Amino acid sequence: GQQLNQSPQSMFIQEGEDVSMNCTSSSIFNTWLWYKQEPGEGPVLLIALYKAGELTSNGRLTAQFGITRKDSFLNISASIPSDVGIYFCAGLGRLGGSEKLVFGKGTKLTVNP
Amino acid sequence: EAQVTQNPRYLITVTGKKLTVTCSQNMNHEYMSWYRQDPGLGLRQIYYSMNVEVTDKGDVPEGYKVSRKEKRNFPLILESPSPNQTSLYFCASSRGQGYTFGSGTRLTVV
Repeated sequence: GQQLNQSPQSMFIQEGEDVSMNCTSSSIFNTWLWYKQEPGEGPVLLIALYKAGELTSNGRLTAQFGITRKDSFLNISASIPSDVGIYFCAGLGRLGGSEKLVFGKGTKLTVNP
Repeated sequence: EAQVTQNPRYLITVTGKKLTVTCSQNMNHEYMSWYRQDPGLGLRQIYYSMNVEVTDKGDVPEGYKVSRKEKRNFPLILESPSPNQTSLYFCASSRGQGYTFGSGTRLTVV
């Protein structure tokens, strides 16, 4: 099945540092979504992007929908310990004749106080 | 509160013993889907449903069945579970583009 290339796989940073992660694909998507998953819980939607070139913020989080519609990035500024978790990108598009949501493999973020 | 509810949260079973994981949503969403999450493999789609009585295979459907007799419920059925189905399972629902996930079911097949 189709998957997105998400990088990096993991990050270990100090509290206060900025974080950047991205996703790329060979397929075009109509929507890019960024999720955060905390231990023992399901993914929770952070940011949704609906138009190529769109830049959207949610507090300290900023995400952009790539102009080619094949990539997206997520930035977290001034990280804090509660940012710890696994971040997933997801692309929604028409694949194999039907609309599908495809996930990246995740970026595991560790924040040292 | 708008949510997707899965049960059970944890399940340990033996090979070959049929089991059902239930999923229910209270948001009147047409679309529902099941994913499994495995280390290093991310979230992979098992089955999805566009609406009542409409289901289709995802990327890893082998060994699973689903049904959608009502809009709110989308149970995942393992007729004869095997150890390679040990995983973390998530149900999700959507009306448009934002997917809401349940809290997960951790299944161990011994």
